[in-house]
Amino acid sequence: EAQVTQNPRYLITVTGKKLTVTCSQNMNHEYMSWYRQDPGLGLRQIYYSMNVEVTDKGDVPEGYKVSRKEKRNFPLILESPSPNQTSLYFCASSLLRTGGLANEKLFFGSGTQLSVL
Amino acid sequence: DQQVKQNSPSLSVQEGRISILNCDYTNSMFDYFLWYKKYPAEGPTFLISISSIKDKNEDGRFTVFLNKSAKHLSLHIVPSQPGDSAVYFCAASPNAGNNRKLIWGLGTSLAVNP
Repeated sequence: EAQVTQNPRYLITVTGKKLTVTCSQNMNHEYMSWYRQDPGLGLRQIYYSMNVEVTDKGDVPEGYKVSRKEKRNFPLILESPSPNQTSLYFCASSLLRTGGLANEKLFFGSGTQLSVL
Repeated sequence: DQQVKQNSPSLSVQEGRISILNCDYTNSMFDYFLWYKKYPAEGPTFLISISSIKDKNEDGRFTVFLNKSAKHLSLHIVPSQPGDSAVYFCAASPNAGNNRKLIWGLGTSLAVNP
C-alpha cells in the first residue's frame, strides 16, 4: 500500500531533550516536506527536500533540522525542543514531474502530535 | 496576513443536497489551486485541483470553480454524502521558485447530516 509513515503518532517530551520524528514513504517520491499545523495559523511548511541530499527551509524552519540521506526517509530533528514547538506535525511527499508542480497531489502521513513541557 | 482565506469555519448540509465550500485569495501570482480533505486523526488527502488557465474542473461528485477576476474559488459536492463530513482545505501555489510551496487556508469543517 502506498503510504507515508510517520512515527511516533504522539510524543510528550520536556524542554531541551533532543528528539527525532521519522518519516518514510514507499512511493519513490522525490519531493518531501514537513508541515506543522497550529490553531488559527493553518499548515505551515518547515522544511522541504527536492531530492536526496537536497533540503531547504520553508516558512518556519527555526528550531528544526532535517536530513535526506535516502530517498524514502526524511526525519525531522528538534535539537532542543521548546514549548512553542508543541504542535501537530505532518510529513508529506509527492512526485516531482519535470515542468510540473512540485507540490501537486501531496501524500500526507497521519501526523505526529508533539507536546513539549 | 492570510493569503488564502476560507471564511466559513464550518458548514452543515443535508445528505443529498449540494455542499459549496468557498475560498478567497489575495495573491494574483497564484496559478494553481488545490482542495484537500482531512478526516480526524489522519493527514490531509488530495481531492481536486485546478490550474489558473481553467475556470472549472470536475471529478465525479466534486467540481471546483475558479473566478480569477474575483480571486475566488469554490468546491461543489453534489450530492453530499455523510462520508464527505471532514475538514476541507483550500491551498494555492504561487508561480515562483522551485519549491512552489502551497499556501493553505484554515479549513472549513463540513458536516453532512443523514
